[in-house]
Amino acid sequence: QVQLVQSGAEVKKPGASVKVSCQASGLTSDSLYWVRQAPGQGLEWMGIINPIVGSTFYAQKFKDRFTMTRDASTTTAYMELSSLRSDDTATYYCAASTTTVPYFDYWGLGTLVTVSS
Amino acid sequence: EIVMTQSPATLSVSLGERATLSCRASQNINNNLAWYQQKPGQAPRLLIYGTSTRASGVPARFSVSGSGTEFTLTISSLQSEDSAVYFCQHYHKWPPAFGQGTRVEMK
Repeated sequence: QVQLVQSGAEVKKPGASVKVSCQASGLTSDSLYWVRQAPGQGLEWMGIINPIVGSTFYAQKFKDRFTMTRDASTTTAYMELSSLRSDDTATYYCAASTTTVPYFDYWGLGTLVTVSS
Repeated sequence: EIVMTQSPATLSVSLGERATLSCRASQNINNNLAWYQQKPGQAPRLLIYGTSTRASGVPARFSVSGSGTEFTLTISSLQSEDSAVYFCQHYHKWPPAFGQGTRVEMK
């Protein structure tokens, strides 16, 4: 059974950075994904990371301020978003697929990041 | 990039009636489509992938039809627990993308 455990909610000021973790267990594929959802809005795919070897692929929109890393020893993925703006206020989900195909069978509970002065 | 468009934005359906949700892709995605259900305060839940394969535990009243660029999610007999937002997502090529969602509410 895949489990994705995310870190807790964060409140940050504009211009700051935030780092969110996602500890995975039971993965059957080699990919973790990050998806964000602004309040009352739809879902945006941000990027994919292989938690074992650390390879990454970013959505074009997030290439500048978004960084994914991992700790292979704990199968934990991290996402860091820098130069935060108010429109970065969102719930950030990590998600996983049981196959190599990027639809998402498993989701973390989400981490709410609030950017406010 | 492929753009996914869902309609309507909100659908009001009576208990036991049929709900029909549409999803359109800006180009041919073959059958590389998934549907998710999201209830307030929860993460999305995978319902159906590969056009018509239901994920584990998903009731048979959920079905999908279509191919290419036009797809339909049908809830054959709406139950109270089906009130939620439904998203389609293509995975035909990078980047995967979601539609903006259809909210299904009880009339």
